[in-house]
Amino acid sequence: GAVVSQHPSRVICKSGTSVKIECRSLDFQATTMFWYRQFPKQSLMLMATSNEGSKATYEQGVEKDKFLINHASLTLSTLTVTSAHPEDSSFYICSARPGTGEGSPLHFGNGTRLTVT
Amino acid sequence: KQEVTQIPAALSVPEGENLVLNCSFTDSAIYNLQWFRQDPGKGLTSLLLIQSSQREQTSGRLNASLDKSSGRSTLYIAASQPGDSATYLCAVNFGNEKLTFGTGTRLTIIP
Repeated sequence: GAVVSQHPSRVICKSGTSVKIECRSLDFQATTMFWYRQFPKQSLMLMATSNEGSKATYEQGVEKDKFLINHASLTLSTLTVTSAHPEDSSFYICSARPGTGEGSPLHFGNGTRLTVT
Repeated sequence: KQEVTQIPAALSVPEGENLVLNCSFTDSAIYNLQWFRQDPGKGLTSLLLIQSSQREQTSGRLNASLDKSSGRSTLYIAASQPGDSATYLCAVNFGNEKLTFGTGTRLTIIP
């Protein structure tokens, strides 16, 4: 089955530093990947849609200059949290869909637990 | 506004029982609906995907149904096992390629 790999699984950083999270589709190509954020005991909220070779599309209320997304290849998207603050501490999950169109299921990585101290 | 709701937020049942998890959505013009499982601190595992033209999908002990006219989906788990304990999330694709998630039902199977 389709596998989405996310790295790192956990990261602790100091306030003001930047953190990069990688999302890879291991056995399929993904022109589009999605980045979600999940706060404790809450559901997933879409942050942005990552498009290979073009700019990401951000959801309302998500700062594009704070959450930098790069989708440089068909199998890799990265999310960089810049100048992280404690309120950025959250669970970040990426997802991708093998095949074309919306009829195939979306597969998720195992997530990255970010803690900003 | 397109919303997805899951009730109850938590459910505990004895091992071996059959159970139903509920998902409701506000806009019947959906593209598809997907059920996921999330273990604590982990990512999401896709369980079943139902296209808008389908009424149900089955995988092993799991059966998901879809009733667009009433804006509802159910996930039926037969012969529950302790390993089924997890949070189950319902997510709807309203046709814009993005998934809108419910808040999930935290299921505990009591041995």
